[in-house]
Amino acid sequence: QKEVEQDPGPLSVPEGAIVSLNCTYSNSAFQYFMWYRQYSRKGPELLMYTYSSGNKEDGRFTAQVDKSSKYISLFIRDSQPSDSATYLCAMSSGAGNNRKLIWGLGTSLAVNP
Amino acid sequence: DTGVSQNPRHKITKRGQNVTFRCDPISEHNRLYWYRQTLGQGPEFLTYFQNEAQLEKSRLLSDRFSAERPKGSFSTLEIQRTEQGDSAMYLCASLQGSNTGELFFGEGSRLTVL
Repeated sequence: QKEVEQDPGPLSVPEGAIVSLNCTYSNSAFQYFMWYRQYSRKGPELLMYTYSSGNKEDGRFTAQVDKSSKYISLFIRDSQPSDSATYLCAMSSGAGNNRKLIWGLGTSLAVNP
Repeated sequence: DTGVSQNPRHKITKRGQNVTFRCDPISEHNRLYWYRQTLGQGPEFLTYFQNEAQLEKSRLLSDRFSAERPKGSFSTLEIQRTEQGDSAMYLCASLQGSNTGELFFGEGSRLTVL
């Protein structure tokens, strides 16, 4: 079993839809949770960063962490065609311990106009 | 600007040749990371520098791979005697060393080994 599981999709939604992306994990030591967006042939860019459990909101994006269920989510409201990309979750157990980032496979999202 | 810069963006080479990639991190960032990413996979950690010191190497980094960061600024990743299995995107990322965990990635160097 992989430490981080993420459905690779692809996920296709109409413009304006609410998108829900999820990852599950097995290592209870993970405390730092990140969502990255990656456009085709580009490097990943950080979207959301969350410590421990709870919600974090930034514009149209909301990240949720449920440590009791070992489950994290990213919600995108009012999705736009420009949101079409691969979304990767990543997590680690220690502050600044990024060399130990464990990544999901990424979910491919297409938002259709 | 000041994002992470990687060169070349794409390299096509024949099996057995040597290739070198360069990464220029964000100037005030003292930590620099190399990752490898293949299609449909998340990035895999290769190695990590703090200033000029290489602090960790993954088991993925065979003897054919070597990375340097001679003055604590830019870094190079060299692959000797390339194999077809080395074909991947090589990503560089940098971090200032805060506790926020915000890795900033470059656009990657794509390697194709024929």
